[in-house]
Amino acid sequence: GESVGLHLPTLSVQEGDNSIINCAYSNSASDYFIWYKQESGKGPQFIIDIRSNMDKRQGQRVTVLLNKTVKHLSLQIAATQPGDSAVYFCAENIANYGQNFVFGPGTRLSVLP
Amino acid sequence: DAMVIQNPRYQVTQFGKPVTLSCSQTLNHNVMYWYQQKSSQAPKLLFHYYDKDFNNEADTPDNFQSRRPNTSFCFLDIRSPGLGDAAMYLCATSFRGSNQPQHFGDGTRLSIL
Repeated sequence: GESVGLHLPTLSVQEGDNSIINCAYSNSASDYFIWYKQESGKGPQFIIDIRSNMDKRQGQRVTVLLNKTVKHLSLQIAATQPGDSAVYFCAENIANYGQNFVFGPGTRLSVLP
Repeated sequence: DAMVIQNPRYQVTQFGKPVTLSCSQTLNHNVMYWYQQKSSQAPKLLFHYYDKDFNNEADTPDNFQSRRPNTSFCFLDIRSPGLGDAAMYLCATSFRGSNQPQHFGDGTRLSIL
């Protein structure tokens, strides 16, 4: 059968609170980043992206912050809802270095009622 | 809706028996990817096609092969599955170029008996 996986970091938040999910990326030459949401039994779903010439980008209820100095990315979810419960992955890409995205290890978000 | 479709959603095969997983897309993307994802881990890129140009990751075992007969379809062939190959297999597509997000299917979960 399938090998035992690593335990994902878990973030538990109360419904209605804001969530902050963090990601440390590995390559200082990475210049494009994506946050994906993966629900159980489904493929990763695009949430929001950001290019390295930006520090912040906002979507509907989500904000991504990029700190290139410390190679850190965060995803903020406002007014977290039960439907936000999922595993969240950051992915980094180096422009003109092929099509490869490197995924972070993931964080499991659990929304408490 | 334009999408990435993977069939079957669940596949069971016997140890050592060849198996093929399929992916189709209606997004007209020129790049198609295959990822392996084990429990509680991030997706790991196996290979990708840019049009008919095949790009293999250095650490992808020879046991894994792929075919892309046309723009819309891509297949993953596992020639002699071992127990360690039990995983979720994800197909993704994108346009080639900088800052192009990948769009994922919902995966095929492969079990090995």
